[in-house]
Amino acid sequence: QSALTQPPSASGSPGQSVTISCTGTSSDVGGYNFVSWYQQHPGKAPRLLIYEVTKRPSGVPDRFSGSKSGNTASLTVSGLQAEDEADYYCSSFAGGRKWVFGGGTKLTVL
Amino acid sequence: EVQLVESGGGLVQPGGSLRLSCAVSGFTFTSYTVNWVRQAPGKGLEWVSHVNVGSDLIDYADSVRGRFTISRDNAKNSLYLQMSSLRVEDTAVYYCVRDWSWAFDHWGQGTLVTVSS
Repeated sequence: QSALTQPPSASGSPGQSVTISCTGTSSDVGGYNFVSWYQQHPGKAPRLLIYEVTKRPSGVPDRFSGSKSGNTASLTVSGLQAEDEADYYCSSFAGGRKWVFGGGTKLTVL
Repeated sequence: EVQLVESGGGLVQPGGSLRLSCAVSGFTFTSYTVNWVRQAPGKGLEWVSHVNVGSDLIDYADSVRGRFTISRDNAKNSLYLQMSSLRVEDTAVYYCVRDWSWAFDHWGQGTLVTVSS
């Protein structure tokens, strides 16, 4: 169960858009439409932002969007706001009853 | 309000054992699969284990298989993680997490397990 690959950091200015990638294999990201994304502020539990690649739970702003192409999923944060500064993690179903997470991306709002 | 409250964390020596508990409320426990996910200090998230409603579908990450045992008591709305043969690398905050639509939609606040001599 290798971790999914995310860039360690990303940044953008308020109002800009930032995209975070998440690369796996055909056994996880590429094999299932069960990619999810989480936001974690320091000292807090993660919060679900995106599920099933593109869907947003109620209460998540539409500034957050997800997509997938082949073995790579992406999270786009549009109209960056100061409160978006956090760590972001992707996750994918990996078959059976297993799950795998990405290593996390620290998003800085400049 | 959905709540998951972990307990049982603490300091334990390498090779020791510890049992984590998670009390849930605010939703019908018997309708959901639940998981344990951990996060080492300053590190990323790692899925640990999963148990379905009937406790007949269980799986573990390779890193804990054979050492950790997940269980649930539907009558008590509780999830457990029995950890044995603990290693320094098991040091982490352990989260109790609800499974929903192939994602993890509600997380507890976490309980810290420190394995050190």
